[in-house]
Amino acid sequence: GAVVSQHPSRVICKSGTSVKIECRSLDFQATTMFWYRQFPKQSLMLMATSNEGSKATYEQGVEKDKFLINHASLTLSTLTVTSAHPEDSSFYICSASSENEQFFGPGTRLTVL
Amino acid sequence: GDSVTQMEGPVTLSEEAFLTINCTYTATGYPSLFWYVQYPGEGLQLLLKATKADDKGSNKGFEATYRKETTSFHLEKGSVQVSDSAVYFCAPQLAGGTSYGKLTFGQGTILTVHP
Repeated sequence: GAVVSQHPSRVICKSGTSVKIECRSLDFQATTMFWYRQFPKQSLMLMATSNEGSKATYEQGVEKDKFLINHASLTLSTLTVTSAHPEDSSFYICSASSENEQFFGPGTRLTVL
Repeated sequence: GDSVTQMEGPVTLSEEAFLTINCTYTATGYPSLFWYVQYPGEGLQLLLKATKADDKGSNKGFEATYRKETTSFHLEKGSVQVSDSAVYFCAPQLAGGTSYGKLTFGQGTILTVHP
């Protein structure tokens, strides 16, 4: 149980385009989902906390207009990187919270050319 | 603010060696404490957890004890295997207020185990 999926697993896009990443909790409902960014050989940086039906709470320094988060249902949250640039290339990981424990998705590797 | 200090790596060990990865934290209140593992090319998996003082979390031969007095949660394994090669993250979870449920990750420790 407690499986979280992410789609796509890898995406390559051109600079200036937008990319949407989906995070789904497959066998449980998650009122809260989290989005992280991980740079090579570094730790996870929390970007935002997403609560179903309400606006996401962004961490300091994260541009909310660039990283759009939508949590439309109890099993789906999406992260859209708008007008992507090469510096947005990274590994994006989501997690879904259930009974005070976070379950992580496998991550999405974004490469912006 | 809340923070985690994790033993820097990389750590390289021979198979069957003893492993310790230190983790200390600062936080308001009494957070739940987690160790996550990330195998090459994969996402994070929960390794073990402890939710209150003196609790010992254990899994796959790994152990960590919640030490309130030293605000530490050191990870140990008596005999490592090649398959334990991965990145290990210590992560306290805030217990209340507007930051409820948030994990604060340590910088990660890369472990490589040689045959």
